[in-house]
Parts: sequence; structure tokens; C-alpha cells
Amino acid sequence: DAGVIQSPRHEVTEMGQEVTLRCKPISGHDYLFWYRQTMMRGLELLIYFNNNVPIDDSGMPEDRFSAKMPNASFSTLKIQPSEPRDSAVYFCASSATGTGPYEQYFGPGTRLTVT
Amino acid sequence: KNQVEQSPQSLIILEGKNCTLQCNYTVSPFSNLRWYKQDTGRGPVSLTIMTFSENTKSNGRYTATLDADTKQSSLHITASQLSDSASYICVVSANNAGNMLTFGGGTRLMVKP
Repeated sequence: DAGVIQSPRHEVTEMGQEVTLRCKPISGHDYLFWYRQTMMRGLELLIYFNNNVPIDDSGMPEDRFSAKMPNASFSTLKIQPSEPRDSAVYFCASSATGTGPYEQYFGPGTRLTVT
Repeated sequence: KNQVEQSPQSLIILEGKNCTLQCNYTVSPFSNLRWYKQDTGRGPVSLTIMTFSENTKSNGRYTATLDADTKQSSLHITASQLSDSASYICVVSANNAGNMLTFGGGTRLMVKP
């Protein structure tokens, strides 16, 4: 299995521009998570989906952020308009329902720089 | 307030030496505790997941312990290798699904030859 795939790996954009981050979860996984990581705040959960349905988006910083999961193999995180404080590494992770704790598999991340 | 505190923040050791990283938490309810290894520029990778009833769990040269009474966990690395240089993140979950995670700030380990 290729693992969780994210694109792009790096994104540099100017303030005010729209940014779209993409994620392909591991096939068969029914949970998908979007995280943001910064030096100051560490890893933060933004939103998660179960069976393509957004369950909890309380971690989304503000209305400029939106996430979709149109099917089981694809999700996007969009920032519009972007601001310099959005600069961070954004991770996508997926997991599968099972017995006991569900292990999360992280993608390589997208490093976003907003100038 | 749910919190996960890790110590030390950073650590430098010589190759071949052992080390122990600490994690204290005040998360409630408690379901499981996870240790992740994050190499620079990459996503976190799970090392161990321990539930309330598990006191110790090993993954190769990594051994995690959990004391649910004192709300403490440790990660012991034996015979360190240069490839162990990474950040180690302690995460406490309130449920199996992993959507109620509280993350520690991580310990940055550097192994020198």
C-alpha cells in the first residue's frame, strides 16, 4: 500500500490567495483526519470525517477554512483567503474501524508558506 | 483542562546509549496513550498504543510504560542509533476512534556518533 498521499508537498502563496490541499487516504480506511502543525502550537486536529461525513470541525480556526470529502478516496482542505498566520505543515491521517484503539497513519504533510 | 506534558524538551545522547523520555497527562476520560516518532520533514509514525490495562509495550528497541494511576508514561530507547534522531510525541486519547486526542509538545532527540 502506498500509504496516505498528500499533495502538494510544498506550497508557497501570497496572502489573499486560495489554497487547496489534497489527501488520498489508505484504501479501506473509514476515518480521515486533517491536522495542522506549528512550532508554537504543535499538532492540532482541525476536522475529521467518518465514512466521508464531517463529524467534528470544531478545530477549524475560522470560516476561511473548509474541508470536503466527496468520496472515500479523496479529501481537500481549502483556505480562502490565505493569511501569513496560516503558514504551517498540514497533515492528513486515516484510520480504520476495528477492535481496540484505531491506529492513525499520517501522510507526509504539506508545508504551506503564505507570504 | 486536558494536558499532556513531555520532558525533556530536547535531549542529546551518544550512539549506543539508552535514554528515557517522560510523559505526564491530565486527560479525562482516558482510553489509550500513543507514542509517535516524527522524523524531520515527515509525518508522525506510531510506535506504540497502550490501553488502560497495559503497563508496558515494546516495539523493537522502543519500550513504553504506562502507569494509569499516576498518569505517567515513559518511552525507553535501548542502544540508540543515529536513525533514532527525531521528535517523539506522546498523545492521549479519550476514545478508540482517535478523534479526541490531546498532544504533547514532543521531545526532540538527537543521537550523535
